[in-house]
Amino acid sequence: QSALTQPASVSGSPGQSITISCTGTSSDVGIYNYVSWYQQHPGKAPKLVIYGVSNRPSGVSNRFSGSKSGNTASLTISGLQAEDEADYYCSSYTSSNTPYVFGTGTQVTVL
Amino acid sequence: QEQLVQSGAEVKKPGASVKVSCKASEYSFTNYYMHWVRQAPGQGLEWMGVINPNSGTTGYAQKFQGRVTMTRDTSTSTVNMELSSLRSEDTAVYYCTRRSPGHYSFDCWGQGTLVTVSS
Repeated sequence: QSALTQPASVSGSPGQSITISCTGTSSDVGIYNYVSWYQQHPGKAPKLVIYGVSNRPSGVSNRFSGSKSGNTASLTISGLQAEDEADYYCSSYTSSNTPYVFGTGTQVTVL
Repeated sequence: QEQLVQSGAEVKKPGASVKVSCKASEYSFTNYYMHWVRQAPGQGLEWMGVINPNSGTTGYAQKFQGRVTMTRDTSTSTVNMELSSLRSEDTAVYYCTRRSPGHYSFDCWGQGTLVTVSS
């Protein structure tokens, strides 16, 4: 099972919106609405920010939103803030014998 | 609040085994599957396997089959992950993480345990 494909880095200025893509296959992102997104600050554990493609856990800012089209899921961060600078990973349930796959990760930089 | 607390950092020699523990608190331990995910230095996240704390049933990624064993102790709300025949490529931070029911996402994470494999 190959990792889901994400851009290595995305940047934006404070207040702007950015979108991170996550491309999988018809064995994972394409057939399941079980895409989740995680934020990871340096030296810290990942934190769930989106589950089930577009749902936000309690306590997560509504500046985070998710969507999916075909084999590609996306995470959008609107009103970019300095605290959003972190690594972001997507994940999907899969039909393979490894039931979970993560993305390659995207480093978000706030300029 | 709900919390997962892992054991401390380990340094092991190639060929040795390591056991990492993860203690759950402030939620019903047997109601949530527990997974293990690792992250090599500067790398991404990698799913290793899962244990059902209620039944003890396990499932492992093919890559780790034969080298990993996950167990649980319901009396202490603890899950353990043991990895054997360690090699330098196993140097990583190992996380336990709880799967949110029905959503196939991981909503609570341990703080991570660094395992260093070096001669």
